[in-house]
Amino acid sequence: RKEVEQDPGPFNVPEGATVAFNCTYSNSASQSFFWYRQDCRKEPKLLMSVYSSGNEDGRFTAQLNRASQYISLLIRDSKLSDSATYLCVVNRLDTGRRALTFGSGTRLQVQP
Amino acid sequence: DGGITQSPKYLFRKEGQNVTLSCEQNLNHDAMYWYRQDPGQGLRLIYYSQIVNDFQKGDIAEGYSVSREKKESFPLTVTSAQKNPTAFYLCASSLLGGNTIYFGEGSWLTVV
Repeated sequence: RKEVEQDPGPFNVPEGATVAFNCTYSNSASQSFFWYRQDCRKEPKLLMSVYSSGNEDGRFTAQLNRASQYISLLIRDSKLSDSATYLCVVNRLDTGRRALTFGSGTRLQVQP
Repeated sequence: DGGITQSPKYLFRKEGQNVTLSCEQNLNHDAMYWYRQDPGQGLRLIYYSQIVNDFQKGDIAEGYSVSREKKESFPLTVTSAQKNPTAFYLCASSLLGGNTIYFGEGSWLTVV
């Protein structure tokens, strides 16, 4: 089982739609959680951190459920520019090592 | 401008040859990382370094080597021992203990 699992998609949605992605992680030692955005053939860029209480940044809302070990990202009022791959990322501290583990990503295609 | 610079952006290598990818950062970050990304896959950690003259193997270190002689620089050598070197290589850095990492623009390596 992969340490971080995501539905690869693609999710094809019309402009203005609301879309949600989920991500599950297997290591209960995971401490920090993030969503990164990666455009085609580009480097990943931090979209937002995910806090236990849930957090919002404009049209984006992230949620964390530690008991069920999943993270979600909700995008409201989708724009064409939201088309990208969204990577779920967890940070664990075990054996003294702190390193990010990336999911394979969920591809979103927003259509006019 | 502060950031991470990777070079070359595109590199072609013949089988059996070693190649070195450069990574320089001027963010004054202590920690640096090398990730590999294959098509449709997440990022996998090759090596990381938290301090000058020290580095640790990641999940897929076989066939790779690194050095950290200066805080700003963390070059990656892809050796002939790496069986499937064709991939997108991403260098990243962060504050020591920091959760947010910043990526360079990546290097595309193709073995011909």
